[in-house]
Amino acid sequence: NAGVTQTPKFRVLKTGQSMTLLCAQDMNHEYMYWYRQDPGMGLRLIHYSVGEGTTAKGEVPDGYNVSRLKKQNFLLGLESAAPSQTSVYFCASSRPGQGNYGYTFGSGTRLTVV
Amino acid sequence: GESVGLHLPTLSVQEGDNSIINCAYSNSASDYFIWYKQESGKGPQFIIDIRSNMDKRQGQRVTVLLNKTVKHLSLQIAATQPGDSAVYFCAEWDGGATNKLIFGTGTLLAVQP
Repeated sequence: NAGVTQTPKFRVLKTGQSMTLLCAQDMNHEYMYWYRQDPGMGLRLIHYSVGEGTTAKGEVPDGYNVSRLKKQNFLLGLESAAPSQTSVYFCASSRPGQGNYGYTFGSGTRLTVV
Repeated sequence: GESVGLHLPTLSVQEGDNSIINCAYSNSASDYFIWYKQESGKGPQFIIDIRSNMDKRQGQRVTVLLNKTVKHLSLQIAATQPGDSAVYFCAEWDGGATNKLIFGTGTLLAVQP
């Protein structure tokens, strides 16, 4: 099993450009999450999904959009990138209800907006 | 609001010593906690979890202690090795239907040879 796979691993964008980060999981997990990680601020939740076709806002959703058209994929979009969106982005998935509420994380996407 | 925090942002230990990483939580109703390890350039990895009906849980070289009276969580690593160098996060389950975890900011464990 690959677990949670994120693509791309690195990306440099110019201010105003758009891009989509892809997260794919092969564990049949219902729930998926997008976080950003900045120095000294820990992991902050951007958007999450509790099932195919559903999405919801997290702690810092502004400037981002998401889609969950297929259960295994969760896409994070930046319509008009800003330098403040320079960060490391992590996707995670979980399957609660089996006594383990932990997440499986991807390896991250390092995004720089110049 | 609810929050999870860490007492020490950086912990430096000698190889072979035991390490203790601390975490304070604010929601006394929380009943599930997790420790994650994040190595440089990688995503967080699950280490060990504990439920509120337990005071202690042991894994391989790691032990998590939960003190509900003072809302404190700790991770003990026995015989710390260079491969243990990483950032360690505690996380608190919010108990809701969305299965959200609330993460602390992390403690950097630096193992000196």
